Amino acid sequence: QVTLRESGPALVKPTQTLTLTCTFSGFSLSTSGMCVSWIRQPPGKALEWLALIDWDDDKYYSTSLKTRLTISKDTSKNQVVLTMTNMDPVDTATYYCARIHGAAAADYWGQGTLVTVSS
Amino acid sequence: QSALTQPPSASGSPGQSVTISCTGTSSDVGGYNYVSWYQQHPGKAPKLMIYEVSKRPSGVPDRFSGSKSGNTASLTVSGLQAEDEADYYCSSYAGSNVYVFGTGTKVTVL
Repeated sequence: QVTLRESGPALVKPTQTLTLTCTFSGFSLSTSGMCVSWIRQPPGKALEWLALIDWDDDKYYSTSLKTRLTISKDTSKNQVVLTMTNMDPVDTATYYCARIHGAAAADYWGQGTLVTVSS
Repeated sequence: QSALTQPPSASGSPGQSVTISCTGTSSDVGGYNYVSWYQQHPGKAPKLMIYEVSKRPSGVPDRFSGSKSGNTASLTVSGLQAEDEADYYCSSYAGSNVYVFGTGTKVTVL
């Protein structure tokens, strides 16, 4: 079955770079049409789409955050990595990775990982 | 891309129907038939309920239905049940593999 799991630090300091890893199983990111996306949700607030990487290694970013984000994949390890530079307390959120395939909808999600930005 | 606009809250009694709107622009909701809806219970990851405006994934009850008119999409939950109480988010494809989410709606079952 399809599963995704986010991992990374629970706490980062302001100005530091955050690196999150999404490890997935049950599908291959080398399959045509397959994508993995990162989405975040500040406590008590709405979901925000961050980035997407597709089977062809094309990368897409939120307009407002694109200067701070980098998404990459390691197909052999079934992993997608998101880095976000210059972290700020307003970036405190639960970060989710999700699969997008064909229908432009996230059909499988990880459980999310809470990242707190604080000195 | 700006967030899609949803009402902050909606409510209904058990057995009734509730409809949530999701308003965007011609660059997202109005431009593509790629609107999806997600249900999120407290402390849980979102769950896909509707994709491509009106299609239901396997396992989602047919009490959930979606539609779109112009730049506004809607989710209707018929025959409300206690377990439908949750936050609901719409999302739309906005071109060039960019996506946008809605502001979220808290549905309360009275």
